[in-house]
Amino acid sequence: DSGVTQTPKHLITATGQRVTLRCSPRSGDLSVYWYQQSLDQGLQFLIQYYNGEERAKGNILERFSAQQFPDLHSELNLSSLELGDSALYFCASSAGTGDEETQYFGPGTRLLVL
Amino acid sequence: LAKTTQPISMDSYEGQEVNITCSHNNIATNDYITWYQQFPSQGPRFIIQGYKTKVTNEVASLFIPADRKSSTLSLPRVSLSDTAVYYCLVGNPGAGSYQLTFGKGTKLSVIP
Repeated sequence: DSGVTQTPKHLITATGQRVTLRCSPRSGDLSVYWYQQSLDQGLQFLIQYYNGEERAKGNILERFSAQQFPDLHSELNLSSLELGDSALYFCASSAGTGDEETQYFGPGTRLLVL
Repeated sequence: LAKTTQPISMDSYEGQEVNITCSHNNIATNDYITWYQQFPSQGPRFIIQGYKTKVTNEVASLFIPADRKSSTLSLPRVSLSDTAVYYCLVGNPGAGSYQLTFGKGTKLSVIP
């Protein structure tokens, strides 16, 4: 158990809909990362937040957005969903205090868009 | 933006040492090299991290040459439970502006 929790574990929805994925980092970790993993793309970095502020942005679509709240939990919002958005979405957290940062990954949310 | 290249797959017999090499030709000065292990439908799990030379922990060793353009993860005496995908990651999470790049991963199959 990494200490990172993600909800829900599974999500089934239809094209055009909007969903919110939630992540709670390990206690004390300030950085949260979001990744998308689909069969043909491997692990794709989406975005990172540090103590409530966006720190780095990867291959995140404009239809996707994220935020980190004062209690440090984070949400990833996916809108206007397409079939191709079906994937595993992982959240990771790290201390955020130095260069040598180990990321601890959550169990993921499996999203299926029908 | 550092890009990584790894072999897509490797096979090994139980009890053998496995070496997986990752190329990262345009690694930045302040980038670290981290390896993760991932089992199906689970989140990646940290194995080892290094900046240069050699790092060893209880599960693996990481060899990084002086030019840092590649790195080799060494797993001593693998077992069936080491069958997984191994990712090489190059980046500096502590830096202000960067992108984390995961390679496609190497699928290691351990054969009895």
